[in-house]
Formats: sequence, C-alpha cells, structure tokens
Amino acid sequence: QKEVEQNSGPLSVPEGAIASLNCTYSDRGSQSFFWYRQYSGKSPELIMFIYSNGDKEDGRFTAQLNKASQYVSLLIRDSQPSDSATYLCAPGAGRGGGADGLTFGKGTHLIIQP
Amino acid sequence: NAGVTQTPKFQVLKTGQSMTLQCAQDMNHNSMYWYRQDPGMGLRLIYYSASEGTTDKGEVPNGYNVSRLNKREFSLRLESAAPSQTSVYFCASRGAGNEQFFGPGTRLTVL
Repeated sequence: QKEVEQNSGPLSVPEGAIASLNCTYSDRGSQSFFWYRQYSGKSPELIMFIYSNGDKEDGRFTAQLNKASQYVSLLIRDSQPSDSATYLCAPGAGRGGGADGLTFGKGTHLIIQP
Repeated sequence: NAGVTQTPKFQVLKTGQSMTLQCAQDMNHNSMYWYRQDPGMGLRLIYYSASEGTTDKGEVPNGYNVSRLNKREFSLRLESAAPSQTSVYFCASRGAGNEQFFGPGTRLTVL
C-alpha cells in the first residue's frame, strides 16, 4: 500500500512570508514528484514537478526532494492571499512507467493572512 | 486546446438510478483516469485506462464500470447509484512526464 503523508493544516502564514509545505511517502520506487494546487470547488492544478534530488525553482515556488529520506517539500516565497488553497503532494513512477497513476496525499490547507 | 473536459458539471440522482459521466481529452494522451474526492479522504482512484482498449481497477472500483471508447474518451458508469457514491468525480489524463491533467469535475449527489 503506497502512502503519502501531509499535515492537513490549516497552515496559516502572513502575507509576504515563506510558506513551507511538507510531504513524506512510503514507496521507495517513486521517481517523479508532483505538487498540485486545488482551490475550493475547483479541480487540482499542476504547479511543480521534480524528478531529481535537490531543489527546483520556478518563480516563487521551490520544490525540494530528498529520496533517501523519502521527503518532498514545497516552498512558496512572498506568499500572496491568492496562494490560499489546498496543496496536494503526488509521488509517481518514472517517466513512461506506472500507468496506474499517482498516489495523492490528502493535502495541506494553506491560508495566507493579509 | 480544451485539455480535459467532463460532462455534466452537476447531477442529482435518486438511489437506484443509473448514469454515465463523460470525459474527453484533446492532448493525445494514452492513459486516462477516474478519481473520486470526498472530504477527509483525498483523491481515490476508481478505474484507469493505460491505453485505448484496456481498463483496470483502481482503489475503489465497486459500483462502477468504465469504457474507453477511443483514445480521446473515457466514460464512467454508475449502474445503480447509492448515497455512498455522492462525491466529486474527476477525470484525468497523463502526460509524457507522468504528470496528470484534470478535468473540471462532476459534483454528484445521490438521494
């Protein structure tokens, strides 16, 4: 059974600060890692992906991956009220593999306080 | 490019009624998925189709059937709806990097 653990929150962060979202996963075979943002009443939207250990930056977002510790995180710099949403972590197989799809965490509810 | 589309957006059924949720993607993806999302339960995989002509059960397949009509379309059928199937249903397709793209969802209420 593949498990993905996230703190459900809510995580409250002041506007302009750094929001840090964490995720641990059980499947050591995971090779691809995705972060989705889901606004209330909407569908999940892909915001970041990472395949290699280390950091990957895209605008205000940084994904960090440590496969040895089975840990992936998402940092949001200069947090804005529009970042308030639920963030889903989803490890998956390597490219071309794992047709049975991603395993999603239950998500962390992030609230950015103006 | 519409991405992944789903119909209907909302549906109310009575217990025992049947219905089909439709999903289509225009990204030429091979793999497609049906999830349900319930409060506190996260996204759970119902069925998936790795390629045209194949379907497989996911985590919660009971009470559902699927059809991969062609490469673009993947439908989910509830033969005899139950209140436990009240949920939000998402269809998704998989890109080359293993990422998934979601449709807008169908909110289903079974009375």
